[in-house]
Amino acid sequence: NAGVTQTPKFRVLKTGQSMTLLCAQDMNHEYMYWYRQDPGMGLRLIHYSVGEGTTAKGEVPDGYNVSRLKKQNFLLGLESAAPSQTSVYFCASSYLILYEQYFGPGTRLTVT
Amino acid sequence: GESVGLHLPTLSVQEGDNSIINCAYSNSASDYFIWYKQESGKGPQFIIDIRSNMDKRQGQRVTVLLNKTVKHLSLQIAATQPGDSAVYFCAEPQGGSEKLVFGKGTKLTVNP
Repeated sequence: NAGVTQTPKFRVLKTGQSMTLLCAQDMNHEYMYWYRQDPGMGLRLIHYSVGEGTTAKGEVPDGYNVSRLKKQNFLLGLESAAPSQTSVYFCASSYLILYEQYFGPGTRLTVT
Repeated sequence: GESVGLHLPTLSVQEGDNSIINCAYSNSASDYFIWYKQESGKGPQFIIDIRSNMDKRQGQRVTVLLNKTVKHLSLQIAATQPGDSAVYFCAEPQGGSEKLVFGKGTKLTVNP
């Protein structure tokens, strides 16, 4: 099992550009999450999904959109990137809500 | 408001010593707590969890203690090894919701 994978690993964007981060899991987990991690801020939840076709807002959803068209994939979109979105983004999945979450390796995004 | 925090942002120990990482929480209704370990450049990794109906739970070289009276959680690592060097996060559910709130983390450094 690959577990949770994220694509890409690194990306540099200019302000105003758009991009999509892809998260994939092969554990048949129902629940998937997108977090951002900034220095001294810990992990903050952006959006999450409790199943295929469903999404919900987390703590810091503004400027991001998500989609869960397939159970194994969870996409995070930035329509118009801003420097404040420079961060490391982590995807996670879990079998049951609030149980052990398995994290991907992260995507380091820089917006200039 | 709810918060999950840590008493010390950094901890340095000698190899072979025991380590204790602390976490304070404010939501007395929380019934589930989790510890994660994040090595440099990687995603967080689940270590151990504990339900509020327990005071103590042991894993392999790790023990989590829960003191509900003072709303305090601790992670004890026995015979700390260089591979234990990482940032450790505690997390709890946010107010009965489906979301986890992570503390800001404690950086553990193990000196040879």
